[in-house]
Amino acid sequence: NAGVTQTPKFQVLKTGQSMTLQCAQDMNHNSMYWYRQDPGMGLRLIYYSASEGTTDKGEVPNGYNVSRLNKREFSLRLESAAPSQTSVYFCASSSPTGQGFTEAFFGQGTRLTVV
Amino acid sequence: AQSVTQLGSHVSVSEGALVLLRCNYSSSVPPYLFWYVQYPNQGLQLLLKYTSAATLVKGINGFEAEFKKSETSFHLTKPSAHMSDAAEYFCAVNNQAGTALIFGKGTTLSVSS
Repeated sequence: NAGVTQTPKFQVLKTGQSMTLQCAQDMNHNSMYWYRQDPGMGLRLIYYSASEGTTDKGEVPNGYNVSRLNKREFSLRLESAAPSQTSVYFCASSSPTGQGFTEAFFGQGTRLTVV
Repeated sequence: AQSVTQLGSHVSVSEGALVLLRCNYSSSVPPYLFWYVQYPNQGLQLLLKYTSAATLVKGINGFEAEFKKSETSFHLTKPSAHMSDAAEYFCAVNNQAGTALIFGKGTTLSVSS
């Protein structure tokens, strides 16, 4: 099982360029997430999608857009990259139950540098 | 509001010593609590989780954590550290809606021989 797959693994962008980070999961999970990880800041939620067709803002949504393409795929778009968006981006998925949150499964991350 | 505080950004222990990583939470709803581990240049892997069943939770690699409501704590322990335990550890709590995880800032564990 592949689990959660992110592409690309590494990317260097120039300020002002745009790009889309791709994420796909093969676990039939309803919910998907995008987090960013910065030194000393832990993981911060950018956007999430509780189910196909819905998306919601997390803690740090500014400068990003997302698309829940189907149940498997959840993409993150940077329309005009800024150096402050240099980070490691993680996609995750889960299937929360009626009793509350279950574990989230993470991809291997995308290391993005904006110069 | 939901939040997690990890006390100590860096913990160093000797091989064979007790590992104790501290996590305190704030939650306006019954919390679901998690510990994740991240090895260098990898994603996050679940160590263990508390979901309102037993207060002492056992996880992978010999780790365990105890949920203490009165202290709003969920500290991670391992009786004897191994070199392979060197990694970054994250404590997390569900958000109020139960739809996402909120993470602490992480604790880096170093293990020396």
